[in-house]
Amino acid sequence: QKEVEQNSGPLSVPEGAIASLNCTYSDRGSQSFFWYRQYSGKSPELIMSIYSNGDKEDGRFTAQLNKASQYVSLLIRDSQPSDSATYLCAVGHNQGGKLIFGQGTELSVKP
Amino acid sequence: AAGVIQSPRHLIKEKRETATLKCYPIPRHDTVYWYQQGPGQDPQFLISFYEKMQSDKGSIPDRFSAQQFSDYHSELNMSSLELGDSALYFCASSPRLAGGTDTQYFGPGTRLTVL
Repeated sequence: QKEVEQNSGPLSVPEGAIASLNCTYSDRGSQSFFWYRQYSGKSPELIMSIYSNGDKEDGRFTAQLNKASQYVSLLIRDSQPSDSATYLCAVGHNQGGKLIFGQGTELSVKP
Repeated sequence: AAGVIQSPRHLIKEKRETATLKCYPIPRHDTVYWYQQGPGQDPQFLISFYEKMQSDKGSIPDRFSAQQFSDYHSELNMSSLELGDSALYFCASSPRLAGGTDTQYFGPGTRLTVL
């Protein structure tokens, strides 16, 4: 079992809809969580970081963290075709700071 | 804003050759991480440096070595290249805060192809 698990998708949503991406992690002591967007052949681009239980909003993006359930999610409101990419959930390792990534969820937003 | 710089962006090598990848972190970032991403895979941590000292080591082959220099740039040296080393290699930098993880910003990557 991977330390960080995501549904690989593809997840397809129509333009303007809400896209919901989910991630679970196994290390209960994890403290830092990140969502990255990656276009094919490009580098991961940071979307959100979250450290505390609850919601964190930034524009059309909302990250949700529930440490008790070891669950973190990303909601994308008013999805646009340009949001079509692979979304990587990453958990920061407490010692050394390395990121442990999920396998990524491929999102496709249809016009 | 300045970003992480990696060079070269593309590299083609033959089996058993050596390669050196370079990474220049964001100014005032003192921590550098190296990741390897194979086709269709998620990024895998290789090695990291904080204040020019190795801080953590992941699934990095013994054929690979790395260091961070006094100007904080880092180099990943890869010897006896194998076909399986073909991948995207990303460098990320962060301003390390005491006691934990800070946000990592990724460079554009080096695409290494081993023939």
